[in-house]
Amino acid sequence: KQEVTQIPAALSVPEGENLVLNCSFTDSAIYNLQWFRQDPGKGLTSLLLIQSSQREQTSGRLNASLDKSSGRSTLYIAASQPGDSATYLCAVEIWRDDKIIFGKGTRLHILP
Amino acid sequence: DVKVTQSSRYLVKRTGEKVFLECVQDMDHENMFWYRQDPGLGLRLIYFSYDVKMKEKGDIPEGYSVSREKKERFSLILESASTNQTSMYLCATSNGQGDQPQHFGDGTRLSIL
Repeated sequence: KQEVTQIPAALSVPEGENLVLNCSFTDSAIYNLQWFRQDPGKGLTSLLLIQSSQREQTSGRLNASLDKSSGRSTLYIAASQPGDSATYLCAVEIWRDDKIIFGKGTRLHILP
Repeated sequence: DVKVTQSSRYLVKRTGEKVFLECVQDMDHENMFWYRQDPGLGLRLIYFSYDVKMKEKGDIPEGYSVSREKKERFSLILESASTNQTSMYLCATSNGQGDQPQHFGDGTRLSIL
């Protein structure tokens, strides 16, 4: 059974620092991996989607990488800002099944 | 932009009531999903639907049912609400092609008293 783990559960860093959020999954047979952002009391906003054949995706200050063989993904945030404070969730889509399995998220706090 | 609208942001109901949560999408997406989100447990899939009048059980369907009479609308029904169904409920849609992320509504925070 696919399991998705995100470590750490919470992270605080000073503004301006670069940071990395980690995601690991137990079964490498995935269709894609997605990173979402969730603000308190709100729904999820998609940040990046990496297809299983891809190694990374970039959007602005965000870069996500995927290593299927080791079951790992990282989300790199450059030059962090207070507005980046949110919970970041990683999710994997099982092969063309369209069900996605979520990690429990990393709660990020950027200190002004 | 895909818009997924959930009918209520906050809802308070009493134990034993039948509760309806509505979700409407405007992008003609085939697939729709209902999740609940609880502290420490993350998001868990309740039900999903690949097409009109079709439904599939997710990981925690007990105590819930769904209805999809039209492509754009997916309803979650709590047959007889209980206090352990107090939670944040999130609806999501996808195009079923695996090349686009799921799109989420803003959620309904449901309290059962």
